[in-house]
Amino acid sequence: DQQVKQNSPSLSVQEGRISILNCDYTNSMFDYFLWYKKYPAEGPTFLISISSIKDKNEDGRFTVFLNKSAKHLSLHIVPSQPGDSAVYFCAASVGGADGLTFGKGTHLIIQP
Amino acid sequence: NAGVMQNPRHLVRRRGQEARLRCSPMKGHSHVYWYRQLPEEGLKFMVYLQKENIIDESGMPKERFSAEFPKEGPSILRIQQVVRGDSAAYFCASSPQAGLETQYFGPGTRLLVL
Repeated sequence: DQQVKQNSPSLSVQEGRISILNCDYTNSMFDYFLWYKKYPAEGPTFLISISSIKDKNEDGRFTVFLNKSAKHLSLHIVPSQPGDSAVYFCAASVGGADGLTFGKGTHLIIQP
Repeated sequence: NAGVMQNPRHLVRRRGQEARLRCSPMKGHSHVYWYRQLPEEGLKFMVYLQKENIIDESGMPKERFSAEFPKEGPSILRIQQVVRGDSAAYFCASSPQAGLETQYFGPGTRLLVL
């Protein structure tokens, strides 16, 4: 039973446009959500997080939106750059103290 | 400020051998987490440790796998009598304390069992 779902295995976006990556979760106890970016043969790199008391968090080109009633979060990247091409993982935790539950990832491809 | 360090980066073992993976957390971090990633899958939580204590091992296979985080030295993930299905990337993460803290990941150890 997958508690964190990323339903798009891949996404192709033109350079300069907005990239929107989606994530759904089923466990209503999750209260802390994170996005990680991963290049091949490297470890995940932290991008941005949001706690359940907020519905938006912004850091430079990255914005995460949380819709608790829909159990849905999204990561917006604008403008998209070639270096953004990577696999993006959505992760969630309960209380932030335990292991993270990850989605399967979305492979973002930025086209010139 | 060095990040999370893992070694070796690549490890090849024959079936039945032991694999020992090491993780040094970021400076000032006392919480260590181990994850496993199978091909085409997301990362799966295995175990959460603090110094000299296992806090949560709910994701750890019941047999052949063990983890420790001694008072001195790195955290060790140990896999005894490896089988082909253990081939995966093993990632370690660390955080400074419990609560809503971000986990920072190391580069991973790629284990290949022949």
